[in-house]
Amino acid sequence: GAGVSQSPRYKVAKRGQDVALRCDPISGHVSLFWYQQALGQGPEFLTYFQNEAQLDKSGLPSDRFFAERPEGSVSTLKIQRTQQEDSAVYLCASSRGARGQGASGGYTFGSGTRLTVV
Amino acid sequence: AQSVTQLDSHVSVSEGTPVLLRCNYSSSYSPSLFWYVQHPNKGLQLLLKYTSAATLVKGINGFEAEFKKSETSFHLTKPSAHMSDAAEYFCVVISYSSASKIIFGSGTRLSIRP
Repeated sequence: GAGVSQSPRYKVAKRGQDVALRCDPISGHVSLFWYQQALGQGPEFLTYFQNEAQLDKSGLPSDRFFAERPEGSVSTLKIQRTQQEDSAVYLCASSRGARGQGASGGYTFGSGTRLTVV
Repeated sequence: AQSVTQLDSHVSVSEGTPVLLRCNYSSSYSPSLFWYVQHPNKGLQLLLKYTSAATLVKGINGFEAEFKKSETSFHLTKPSAHMSDAAEYFCVVISYSSASKIIFGSGTRLSIRP
């Protein structure tokens, strides 16, 4: 597609519920990132995929967070047993090159999924 | 290690006056530097990027930024603010290393007074 698409746009979850957030990167893009943006703050890194390989998950805040990209295109971020502190906008970004390469092209971000845990 | 500091959390200017949003960075490797803009309930949009070519970079909507290695700065400027410029602005650093991440500043909220 022309851009990075994320769904759903908004998600309200009851505390303890599991959620799944989807990211459709630009077709052919190798790199895919997930970021968490709390209200009034800059995005914080969660995890990075190069094709289907999850090369960096150092930013995932707990083992309740899990991400996958099984075929190297669409990615899903899953949060189990959601808690109020998980409320944030979750952003996905993709780029043509691998991380550390092609950074000059910049990264294209989706519009995000706003998760509210009540 | 990489880091980026946006010195002002909020900047307010009058329409038609110059805009200055400050950014300082720290990077162990030659960095790429970006400015992104985020309008309310919208995604992040790339304004401009520096990638070791010209130190003065021109972006969209009349914005530009100058890379100053000696000052480790990458301040964003615009000669004349427009009401539509009101948004959140993020300075971003990326290093050319396999361990690199996209590091965001904490953001600067730009308000425009009529």
